[in-house]
Amino acid sequence: AAGVIQSPRHLIKEKRETATLKCYPIPRHDTVYWYQQGPGQDPQFLISFYEKMQSDKGSIPDRFSAQQFSDYHSELNMSSLELGDSALYFCASSLRAGSSTGANVLTFGAGSRLTVL
Amino acid sequence: GQQLNQSPQSMFIQEGEDVSMNCTSSSIFNTWLWYKQDPGEGPVLLIALYKAGELTSNGRLTAQFGITRKDSFLNISASIPSDVGIYFCAGHRTDSWGKLQFGAGTQVVVTP
Repeated sequence: AAGVIQSPRHLIKEKRETATLKCYPIPRHDTVYWYQQGPGQDPQFLISFYEKMQSDKGSIPDRFSAQQFSDYHSELNMSSLELGDSALYFCASSLRAGSSTGANVLTFGAGSRLTVL
Repeated sequence: GQQLNQSPQSMFIQEGEDVSMNCTSSSIFNTWLWYKQDPGEGPVLLIALYKAGELTSNGRLTAQFGITRKDSFLNISASIPSDVGIYFCAGHRTDSWGKLQFGAGTQVVVTP
């Protein structure tokens, strides 16, 4: 079965540079989520999109932006990178259908590890 | 701040023992999900719970959605070495379908 595809898997950037992460959700999933996970931390919610519209917003810095495109893939853009942005970034997708069985179960990608030097 | 209180933080157990962990919140949740994460990998779903009181099993794993909708537990029976990892509870609040919140995780270490 198709999974959530994230690219790149690893990225090394210098401070103040820009990075873009890409996510391809599971086909027919209508919701995409972005999470940031620091070492030894739980995943922190950044932002989500439902049917290409921003749905919920979490602790996403103003330096970060994201969007979902017509083909449902999503990109997370990070500018003016800081050392503290080094983390694993996960994309997840789900089918939102109220509380029916199988709905709202997030499937996560393998993550993109960003290292800022 | 952390809205899901997950405990214990870590557990060191012997192979064959049972493991139990739980999550509580002051808010009502519509779904409770339990994930396992290996180092450097994405969380993998173990069990999904949708209704208050629901008790669901997946092999040696059993999880329950609390009656008050503010808590959930996960049990692992007869642990084996591959059960090692970090287990996270996660849930959707009633007013926030677009945001899955995570607990802080329970680190499980299984010794032979």
